[in-house]
Amino acid sequence: NAGVTQTPKFQVLKTGQSMTLQCAQDMNHEYMSWYRQDPGMGLRLIHYSVGAGITDQGEVPNGYNVSRSTTEDFPLRLLSAAPSQTSVYFCASWDTGASSYNSPLHFGNGTRLTVT
Amino acid sequence: TQLLEQSPQFLSIQEGENLTVYCNSSSVFSSLQWYRQEPGEGPVLLVTVVTGGEVKKLKRLTFQFGDARKDSSLHITAAQPGDTGLYLCAGARGGSNYKLTFGKGTLLTVNP
Repeated sequence: NAGVTQTPKFQVLKTGQSMTLQCAQDMNHEYMSWYRQDPGMGLRLIHYSVGAGITDQGEVPNGYNVSRSTTEDFPLRLLSAAPSQTSVYFCASWDTGASSYNSPLHFGNGTRLTVT
Repeated sequence: TQLLEQSPQFLSIQEGENLTVYCNSSSVFSSLQWYRQEPGEGPVLLVTVVTGGEVKKLKRLTFQFGDARKDSSLHITAAQPGDTGLYLCAGARGGSNYKLTFGKGTLLTVNP
């Protein structure tokens, strides 16, 4: 059981380039989300999805696009990368069918992105 | 806006010492989760506390939820090098993890 898989693990971009961070989960979770983690800032929610075809903004959505065409996949797109988007990005999923209070977010191992 | 304040931000102790990490907010949360994150990996859930005043124990780790459900603490007894990691608290509202709010984390180093 792979859980949440993120690719790539590392990426270097130049300012203005575009790229897509991939996230896939094999647990049939309806909820998926993207967080960015910066030193001294903790984890901040970028976008989330409560099911295929449904997405919503989190705390820091600017500069990022998402779509959810299948339950399994939730890609994060950077259309024009900026140095401020240098960060570690985590994808997470959650079993909304389980008891809300005790079910955890399942995180991938992150993508470390550097924008020069 | 950072709704959850964690302290201390950094903590370096010797093996065998006790420590407490705090997670405070002015907001009420329906539940609060504690995660631990190791380098190069995503956070992993340690515990969820739901009821005001609740205390949960996980081996040498004791978690407490404040009576007003605005704060929580994590106490580690006789810390070991394997406890080293980033400890994150996260608050949920409305009984769901849809917009889980994370604290900035406490980076714990336990020296042998």
